[in-house]
Order: sequence, then C-alpha cells, then structure tokens
Amino acid sequence: GEDVEQSLFLSVREGDSSVINCTYTDSSSTYLYWYKQEPGAGLQLLTYIFSNMDMKQDQRLTVLLNKKDKHLSLRIADTQTGDSAIYFCADPGGHGSSNTGKLIFGQGTTLQVKP
Amino acid sequence: DVKVTQSSRYLVKRTGEKVFLECVQDMDHENMFWYRQDPGLGLRLIYFSYDVKMKEKGDIPEGYSVSREKKERFSLILESASTNQTSMYLCATQTGIVPYEQYFGPGTRLTVT
Repeated sequence: GEDVEQSLFLSVREGDSSVINCTYTDSSSTYLYWYKQEPGAGLQLLTYIFSNMDMKQDQRLTVLLNKKDKHLSLRIADTQTGDSAIYFCADPGGHGSSNTGKLIFGQGTTLQVKP
Repeated sequence: DVKVTQSSRYLVKRTGEKVFLECVQDMDHENMFWYRQDPGLGLRLIYFSYDVKMKEKGDIPEGYSVSREKKERFSLILESASTNQTSMYLCATQTGIVPYEQYFGPGTRLTVT
C-alpha cells in the first residue's frame, strides 16, 4: 500500500540550515505537503509543491521534489528556536487529486534547535 | 481565519466507558476528518465525512464510530473505550479549493485507564 517515510528526529544549532527528508510510494499525487505541529497545537500547512515542479522557494523554506526517486525534502535556512516543532510530510497517495481529502502522513520529524 | 475547535483538550476515561469527542468548524467546509496521533506512527485516519450524514472508514476505524448530523459538527465516538485507545485525537477540515489545505483543531489527549 501507499507509504510515507520520514526520520524521527533532527537536531541543529540556531542559524544552521535544517533539511528534513521524506520518501513516498505513490507517484500519482497532484500535490505534496509539509505540515508543521508546534507544541500543544494541531497541525498547520507550512508549504506544498505541485507535482510538476522540482523546487519551490518561500522565504526561508525550500522544497525539493525528486519524482524519479519519490523523494521530498524541506530545507529551512537560518533555523531559529521558534522553528522547533514536528514536521510532517503528507501525500494524497493513490487518490491522485488532492480534493478527495485523504492524506497519508509520514511519522513526523521532530526538529530540535539548540541556541 | 478558519477555526476548528475540539470539545476538550484533556480527557480521562475508564475502560468500557462510552466517549464522545466533538469537533466544530466555522468555515462551511464539506470534508471533515478524525485522526489519531501516536509517537513514531504519525497521523492515522480513523474516519472522514464529505457531507452531512455521509461517512467513510479510514485506515483504523475499528472500535470507533462517527456522527455528522450538521455540516459544522463531526463527532467521534468510542463505544467502549479501551486502554489501547489512549492517544491524541485530531480533528481536521479541508477546503474545496487548491491546494486543498487541511485545518486542524488543537487536539484532545485522551487517557483510558
């Protein structure tokens, strides 16, 4: 079945770049997503990438998509302590179009930013 | 701003009790979801609803049921709570426009003793 895999933990120093990686199994998705969960809160959409793009940049965030390897990454430049959170990769999986609603989430990567 | 509220942040129940988790949204979204979140497992979909009185099973529906009598309200029911249902429960809604963002409530941490 469809699967989304992430490593569970990443620790960086404040000011460094963080790179969070994700692999997925279904290649028919229209969009792929990164959600962020701050302590004690629900998830919120951080960014997304359309499947026909290789890269998307949004201020300190860069999303890279390698469709051949089914690999998605999120780079956070100049990481701040406020970036400490859990980051989830999400894929609509075999549902193709994202408007069916169902998402498959990775396990979540906890980003720890040390001052 | 989209608001998704959940009836309780923390809940402690006994094994065998019937438990109701309520979720209310104020954005007139048709799609609503219930997930459970466990460390190392990410989010797993329990049930979702794409319209009033319509529901579909997600990946882990066993031991749960849902109710959607009004568009803004989606309830998750644990008919007979068990200790393995101790978890964080998250409700979400979804827009009908690109990029089909999901909006999450703050979660209910349920402990079953």
